[in-house]
Amino acid sequence: AQSVTQPDIHITVSEGASLELRCNYSYGATPYLFWYVQSPGQGLQLLLKYFSGDTLVQGIKGFEAEFKRSQSSVNLRKPSVHWSDAAEYFCAVGAGQAGTALIFGKGTTLSVSS
Amino acid sequence: GAVVSQHPSWVICKSGTSVKIECRSLDFQATTMFWYRQFPKQSLMLMATSNEGSKATYEQGVEKDKFLINHASLTLSTLTVTSAHPEDSSFYICSARTGQGLNEQFFGPGTRLTVL
Repeated sequence: AQSVTQPDIHITVSEGASLELRCNYSYGATPYLFWYVQSPGQGLQLLLKYFSGDTLVQGIKGFEAEFKRSQSSVNLRKPSVHWSDAAEYFCAVGAGQAGTALIFGKGTTLSVSS
Repeated sequence: GAVVSQHPSWVICKSGTSVKIECRSLDFQATTMFWYRQFPKQSLMLMATSNEGSKATYEQGVEKDKFLINHASLTLSTLTVTSAHPEDSSFYICSARTGQGLNEQFFGPGTRLTVL
């Protein structure tokens, strides 16, 4: 069965420090992988997506993710966190067929300390 | 571009009443829309997939008679929670696909439903 695991429920990072959010997936075929951010009162915003090609994917807001097929992981990284990055982050996997819905992980809450 | 809106953003209703939530794609035509439910501190759980002009496909365990979905046009899908009960209180989120690009969905801001 398809599944997405985000092992860290809550992470606190100092402003300016680097960030890595973990995500592991279980999927029978080549997955389509997404990272979303959810801020209070706002919809999910797509940070980046991986379909194929380079395993290091650049996203918006300075985020990047590295896809490691051997580890079934796609961890989200940011070299220097800003206070405005505090939010809920979701990893998701989707099938390649058009119209297929996404399977989400449980999310990681990021807090940024000053 | 690719903006999805939901209305209302929050609603409080009495137990036994029905509530309708609208999901609109504002600047694109959405061939497929999805409805998710999110519990506090939990992930988004897919409830159903709807394609314009056809019946929605519900996920296992979702009561189709309780959660009525209508995708009447390429820009509007509605979710009606019928005979709502307190356990239906949740955050409901819709998303829409443009039909272009591989599996990219755009999400609405969500609707907070509280059933008293």
